[in-house]
Amino acid sequence: GAGVSQSPRYKVAKRGQDVALRCDPISGHVSLFWYQQALGQGPEFLTYFQNEAQLDKSGLPSDRFFAERPEGSVSTLKIQRTQQEDSAVYLCASSLPAGPDTQYFGPGTRLTVL
Amino acid sequence: GDSVTQMEGPVTLSEEAFLTINCTYTATGYPSLFWYVQYPGEGLQLLLKATKADDKGSNKGFEATYRKETTSFHLEKGSVQVSDSAVYFCALSDRSGNQFYFGTGTSLTVIP
Repeated sequence: GAGVSQSPRYKVAKRGQDVALRCDPISGHVSLFWYQQALGQGPEFLTYFQNEAQLDKSGLPSDRFFAERPEGSVSTLKIQRTQQEDSAVYLCASSLPAGPDTQYFGPGTRLTVL
Repeated sequence: GDSVTQMEGPVTLSEEAFLTINCTYTATGYPSLFWYVQYPGEGLQLLLKATKADDKGSNKGFEATYRKETTSFHLEKGSVQVSDSAVYFCALSDRSGNQFYFGTGTSLTVIP
């Protein structure tokens, strides 16, 4: 497809489980962002990639969160030992150039930790 | 640090009413400013943007002007339609483009 895709769309995990969320950006887009959106809130920045390089991970809330983009295309956000406070929608966005520009968002993955 | 503050909702308007959603920002340097919209059941999509002071972004009848002196980027529309019902997010990116900051969102409902 032409847009950003994310999978799975919904994920239910038991507390303590590890999860992996996938993002397929628009082909050729250099920049990729991950956000966490709690219910009723705006997206909160987690991390940013330019191609395969993770240039900023200052928004990751703890060392249980890890993101990678090994070939500069698909990205995976991994959360280890999930906690209830990790429940949120995780959004991925991509943009063509490096630097500030329009981001194209995926539909998000809704994570529920029981 | 950089941040965005936007008017809290929810906002309910009658069709053809005038809309203003306030947004102010705090930033070091000269950020780019954006309004994103999220229609029910859909993902975030760009509505309009402005990249420097005094620029006006516009799209689908919506407008916002980048005001450096008041650090604001208020969203306006002269005559809203039922189809404009959505959640609107103000956002900024720093000059590096490495980080984006979003407001908490303003829910708009337009009634016929």
